[in-house]
Amino acid sequence: DAGVIQSPRHEVTEMGQEVTLRCKPISGHNSLFWYRQTMMRGLELLIYFNNNVPIDDSGMPEDRFSAKMPNASFSTLKIQPSEPRDSAVYFCASSLAGDRGFQETQYFGPGTRLLVL
Amino acid sequence: AQSVSQHNHHVILSEAASLELGCNYSYGGTVNLFWYVQYPGQHLQLLLKYFSGDPLVKGIKGFEAEFIKSKFSFNLRKPSVQWSDTAEYFCAALGSNDYKLSFGAGTTVTVRA
Repeated sequence: DAGVIQSPRHEVTEMGQEVTLRCKPISGHNSLFWYRQTMMRGLELLIYFNNNVPIDDSGMPEDRFSAKMPNASFSTLKIQPSEPRDSAVYFCASSLAGDRGFQETQYFGPGTRLLVL
Repeated sequence: AQSVSQHNHHVILSEAASLELGCNYSYGGTVNLFWYVQYPGQHLQLLLKYFSGDPLVKGIKGFEAEFIKSKFSFNLRKPSVQWSDTAEYFCAALGSNDYKLSFGAGTTVTVRA
């Protein structure tokens, strides 16, 4: 049974370049989350989708960050232009939310380690 | 505001020692509680969870946690650790009608062989 799939696993890029991170949630899950993990700030929720619709993007750092979920099995997080302070591990997680908003367990992907030089 | 606090930043112990990691949460209403483990260079994996029922929850790899409602606590325990338990451990809480998982700052556990 495949878990959450993320690609690439590692990304090294230069400042100013566009970076696109990809996520495939667990089949049947209707909620998807993007997190960023750094030593300084720990785990931060960037954005939450439910049924492919962005519900809460208050954690997105600034306009350079954007996320999309064109269908139930795919999401992207894009950084344009990238900056060195964006270096972090980016995790995608998915879960199943019931009709009344009850959320089941979030399962995390392997993460993308991003280094912006 | 909803929050999760973990008592210890870094715990160092020897193999076969017992482990207990503290976690307290601040939530109004019903809460679901989780412990995740992150091995070096890897992603977060679910160790155990509490939604309702028996407050003593058993998870994978010999871990257990006890939900004590009166103390707003969900401490993680393992009676005898192994070197392979070296990892970072995160306590997390989720309101029953919420989606935003609140994480504690994490506790790094180092087990010396």
